[in-house]
Amino acid sequence: GAVVSQHPSRVICKSGTSVKIECRSLDFQATTMFWYRQFPKQSLMLMATSNEGSKATYEQGVEKDKFLINHASLTLSTLTVTSAHPEDSSFYICSARDTRTGPEQYFGPGTRLTVT
Amino acid sequence: AQKVTQAQTEISVVEKEDVTLDCVYETRDTTYYLFWYKQPPSGELVFLIRRNSFDEQNEISGRYSWNFQKSTSSFNFTITASQVVDSAVYFCALIDQTGANNLFFGTGTRLTVIP
Repeated sequence: GAVVSQHPSRVICKSGTSVKIECRSLDFQATTMFWYRQFPKQSLMLMATSNEGSKATYEQGVEKDKFLINHASLTLSTLTVTSAHPEDSSFYICSARDTRTGPEQYFGPGTRLTVT
Repeated sequence: AQKVTQAQTEISVVEKEDVTLDCVYETRDTTYYLFWYKQPPSGELVFLIRRNSFDEQNEISGRYSWNFQKSTSSFNFTITASQVVDSAVYFCALIDQTGANNLFFGTGTRLTVIP
């Protein structure tokens, strides 16, 4: 149980375009989903916390207009990187929390974004 | 403020050796949770263990064991008889109430097991 999927696993896009990443909890309902960013050989950096049916809470320094987050259902959250630039190239990981079972976050496999 | 310190950036061991990954945490809360995650080269984070602040019992799961000591604010992770498949980055993490129940990660320890 507690499986989280992410799609796509890899994406290459041109500078200036937008990219949408989906995060799904497959076998549980996730009232809260999280989006992280990880640069090579670094730890995970929390970008935002997404609650179903409400606006996402962004961490300091994360541009909410650039990283659009939608959590429309208890099993799906999306992250859209708008007007992507090469510096947005990174590994994006989502996680989901099943509040019925505890505070653990279960992570998706990640999406590697490359902006050319 | 919350803080998780993994002082060992990289460790290399020869297969079948035992290895301990250190984790020291800081929190002002009396209720908190500690975690270990494994990130293999594929990138996906794999949940290994959760410990709450009221349970100091050490835990063993196969070749993995964890030593939680509140007196030293440490939550160390030992792999016995290491295998090549153990090669990964291991993250220690903390959730507490002050941090709005968000996960605070350490910087990770990259373990390489040499065959």
